[in-house]
Amino acid sequence: DGGITQSPKYLFRKEGQNVTLSCEQNLNHDAMYWYRQDPGQGLRLIYYSQIVNDFQKGDIAEGYSVSREKKESFPLTVTSAQKNPTAFYLCASSTDSGGAYNEQFFGPGTRLTVL
Amino acid sequence: SQQGEEDPQALSIQEGENATMNCSYKTSINNLQWYRQNSGRGLVHLILIRSNEREKHSGRLRVTLDTSKKSSSLLITASRAADTASYFCATDREYGNKLVFGAGTILRVKS
Repeated sequence: DGGITQSPKYLFRKEGQNVTLSCEQNLNHDAMYWYRQDPGQGLRLIYYSQIVNDFQKGDIAEGYSVSREKKESFPLTVTSAQKNPTAFYLCASSTDSGGAYNEQFFGPGTRLTVL
Repeated sequence: SQQGEEDPQALSIQEGENATMNCSYKTSINNLQWYRQNSGRGLVHLILIRSNEREKHSGRLRVTLDTSKKSSSLLITASRAADTASYFCATDREYGNKLVFGAGTILRVKS
């Protein structure tokens, strides 16, 4: 089956810890994205990558870091510098670097809760 | 900041009725997309309409775009309980290749 997988589905973090959210796609897409969704709100872009070994900050990158060492993988690390990390995190991918000209395919999401 | 704003915030209808959701945006766009999100799940792409198109259909979905008013509407005809979800519009930024999402409309279809 082709698609995007995210793991884990639920994640609990203690104050001061870094945690890494996994995102893998087998759609052979060049572009990948990370979004944050808070209750009752739309998605906000954290980071995006148009090609392997390259990524750019989105609107709310502070306290987050990413890597893109392989085309199919785009992990997101939520660092202790992120003051309010409790949220639903969504990963997406699209066929080319111009993601706005094509649909984005989303993973099932990871719900992160800070204890 | 959010580019698209959906209206209404929430909508409750009976099965079989039509549901209309609206999206307004602020700056020029190349295209506008609609997505659906079931509770606690990822988003699913519904339809993309380009700035030079005025109307587009996909099954029971009809999307219109009025660039002069900077607005779009999503019509779901003959709604079903399975249509219960949040619906988001997303626009590309004028000088970027990123999507900007609105806050969404929560649709509840009662059977």
